[in-house]
Amino acid sequence: GNSVTQMEGPVTLSEEAFLTINCTYTATGYPSLFWYVQYPGEGLQLLLKATKADDKGSNKGFEATYRKETTSFHLEKGSVQVSDSAVYFCALLIQGAQKLVFGQGTRLTINP
Amino acid sequence: EAQVTQNPRYLITVTGKKLTVTCSQNMNHEYMSWYRQDPGLGLRQIYYSMNVEVTDKGDVPEGYKVSRKEKRNFPLILESPSPNQTSLYFCASSMTGATEAFFGQGTRLTVV
Repeated sequence: GNSVTQMEGPVTLSEEAFLTINCTYTATGYPSLFWYVQYPGEGLQLLLKATKADDKGSNKGFEATYRKETTSFHLEKGSVQVSDSAVYFCALLIQGAQKLVFGQGTRLTINP
Repeated sequence: EAQVTQNPRYLITVTGKKLTVTCSQNMNHEYMSWYRQDPGLGLRQIYYSMNVEVTDKGDVPEGYKVSRKEKRNFPLILESPSPNQTSLYFCASSMTGATEAFFGQGTRLTVV
């Protein structure tokens, strides 16, 4: 079946630290991969996406590369800010499957 | 402004009392879906709709109903709510099932 496994949280870092949140997936087809972010009290917002192997998605200083050989889509940021504190979800979408499959989410807290 | 609007944002109800959570989108999207978010489980799809009058079950449809009489609206109906339906619910819409999903702000439901 299709599934997404995320690095367990919560994750707490100091401002300007380097961030990695691991995400691996299992898929029967050729998925598109996404990172969504959920700020406190809000819905999910698309952070970045990649639709095929070796694509790199990037937005707001965050990056993730679609690695087919390791079935991974790790989220990275070189220097985090307090405003990055949120819950981050990795997700996959199988073409024609009509649904997103989410990981369990990783809560990130950045301390000043 | 492009958005998905859910109402209410917060709801406390008693077991067995029928309720409806409304969802409306203004982007003329064909595809809409409902998810529930539970700690440690990420988001799981309840129902989805590919267009007016076309709906289908997601991963956790038991205890829920939906309807799609108009393209912009996709209400979630709990005919006889139970405490295990206490959760955070999100409505989402997208152009198709294979493109970026836009999420509402969520409805926090408590069934006592």
